[in-house]
Amino acid sequence: QIQLAQSESVVRKPGASVKVSCKASGYTFTDSSIHWLRQAPGQGPEWMAWFNPATLTRSRARKFEVRVALTTDTSINTVYMELSGLTSDDTAVYYCATVTPRAGSYFIAWGQGTLVTVSS
Amino acid sequence: DIQMTQSPSILSASVGDRVTITCRASQGIRTWLAWYQQKPGSAPQVLISAASNLHSDVPSRFSAGGSGTDFTLTINTLQPDDIGTYFCQQYHAYPLTFGGGTRVEI
Repeated sequence: QIQLAQSESVVRKPGASVKVSCKASGYTFTDSSIHWLRQAPGQGPEWMAWFNPATLTRSRARKFEVRVALTTDTSINTVYMELSGLTSDDTAVYYCATVTPRAGSYFIAWGQGTLVTVSS
Repeated sequence: DIQMTQSPSILSASVGDRVTITCRASQGIRTWLAWYQQKPGSAPQVLISAASNLHSDVPSRFSAGGSGTDFTLTINTLQPDDIGTYFCQQYHAYPLTFGGGTRVEI
């Protein structure tokens, strides 16, 4: 079955960057886009960006256009999301998730989540 | 951006009850709506897609419907395992957006 394994939780200082990895298995890596979302405590998920490992195309939500970088290493079926210029408002659980190709952008599988804590 | 508004924010019910959660979109999204269940410490899991299609392995006591701007998720015969937070998500347009969630308590 589809599995997405994310990197471990981290603590960063304000102004720093964080890079979260998402390793996919159980399906053909280039068949489906990987999305990134985050969830602050007590809130609904917030969509951030998607990345297509086959075409290397990507799209980001307007508020993340400048601060989010998406990369991939197709040799190990992994996508990376780097968020720069961290503030305390970026403290959240970050998830990668994938969709069923051509069925619409709802999420059929999620990573386990990576807690990013921004604190001085 | 399309805003998704859920109600109620907290729903307290008894085992065996029939409960309904509503989700309203700020503009028409046809049936491009999904519902998720999230348990504490875990990622959300999809229950429903295309507004009313039950995902595989989801118990038949869950049902959903609606189109355009107004949607519902119903749990018939509430079970203890159904406690958690439920979110709706529109995928009609980017940016994808979620409702604020409904916490179901027993």
